[in-house]
Amino acid sequence: EVQLVQSGAEVKKPGESLKISCKGSGYTFTNYWIGWVRQMPGQGLEWMGIIYPGDSDTRYSPSFQGQVTISADKSISTAYLQWSSLKASDTAIYYCARHGGGFHYWGQGTLVTVSS
Amino acid sequence: EIVMTQSPATLSVSPGERATLSCRASQSVGSNLAWYQQKPGQAPRLLIYGASTRATGIPARFSGSGSGTEFTLTISSLQSEDFAVYYCQRYTDWLWTFGQGTKVEIK
Repeated sequence: EVQLVQSGAEVKKPGESLKISCKGSGYTFTNYWIGWVRQMPGQGLEWMGIIYPGDSDTRYSPSFQGQVTISADKSISTAYLQWSSLKASDTAIYYCARHGGGFHYWGQGTLVTVSS
Repeated sequence: EIVMTQSPATLSVSPGERATLSCRASQSVGSNLAWYQQKPGQAPRLLIYGASTRATGIPARFSGSGSGTEFTLTISSLQSEDFAVYYCQRYTDWLWTFGQGTKVEIK
């Protein structure tokens, strides 16, 4: 069974750094792109970027380029999304999802709250 | 930049009725178009990919059509569990842009 399990909810202060994770199982992790999607409170879905764990090829949405970093460690089948300096506007639920012609499998989401 | 525009923003439908949702791309995306359903407090669920192929386990009352710039998601007979927000998404040219969503609510 394909599963994407994300790390737990985070509460951070503005200016702090953060790295959240998404662990894949039930399939060959290096063979599928993993994307990250943001959902701000009460808002729609926004695609942030995507990585191919096989060779770490990474593509970003122009809206998120330079704002976040996406990475992967194929030895432990885990993708990451990180911020170097959080802002209050980063408060959202972040989903990872496996691409195969659309995002067929989704993680449960990680709630990130940034507040002073 | 290819913009995905969904209409209407909100669709009020009675159970058992047909619902038709639209998604328009500002430039052609071929058939590289997916539809998702999202219920409150849940992750999105893939319904349709390749513009018209149902994902695994999706009931036959959901169907997708279109290519190029105009796409439609049809729910043939709305069930109570179908009231949710629906998003289209293009996946071409290294961009996976979502539309803004259509909320299907009970009339």
